[in-house]
Amino acid sequence: AQSVTQPDIHITVSEGASLELRCNYSYGATPYLFWYVQSPGQGLQLLLKYFSGDTLVQGIKGFEAEFKRSQSSFNLRKPSVHWSDAAEYFCAVGVLPPRDAGGTSYGKLTFGQGTILTVHP
Amino acid sequence: ETGVTQSPTHLIKTRGQQVTLRCSSQSGHNTVSWYQQALGQGPQFIFQYYREEENGRGNFPPRFSGLQFPNYSSELNVNALELDDSALYLCASSLYGPGYTFGSGTRLTVV
Repeated sequence: AQSVTQPDIHITVSEGASLELRCNYSYGATPYLFWYVQSPGQGLQLLLKYFSGDTLVQGIKGFEAEFKRSQSSFNLRKPSVHWSDAAEYFCAVGVLPPRDAGGTSYGKLTFGQGTILTVHP
Repeated sequence: ETGVTQSPTHLIKTRGQQVTLRCSSQSGHNTVSWYQQALGQGPQFIFQYYREEENGRGNFPPRFSGLQFPNYSSELNVNALELDDSALYLCASSLYGPGYTFGSGTRLTVV
């Protein structure tokens, strides 16, 4: 079964500083990886996803993530943090079924515990 | 393009009662997944529906059940509510795969 570990429960950075949020996954096959952001009381917004190809993935709001198979990691980065980036960030690994004639589409996301980002002015 | 909408946004129920949460999928999406997010935790997969049939289930008891309708809207039903069922319930829809577009969730409080 797949699992995701986000080692940092809470990170504090100053506005304008760089950011890296860590994510390690466990999965027996090629993973499908996601980063979501959640503001208080809100749903999840997709920042970026990795399915295959280039291991450096660009997302919305200036975020990027790098897939490193050898380290089982998919860390999220941003060169300069804005106060509006304060939120909770979730890494997730997805199971995608093969496209088959049966048309089944079972798949689920397994999420990490999340990292709360605080931004100081 | 419409997003995923969930109703109600907040709900308070008494232990032992039953509750129905609703989700309207993003236009064109035929797969809907439901997740439970307890306070301070990441979302946990409850189940997924594809073309009106349950198509995968997480580690949740049978009192959690669902429906998907021909227009791909969905319901999550929880019977015999327990205090631990208090959580944010998230619906996610996709055309294929584990679900990429999430709704804003329904906050359920069981007292």
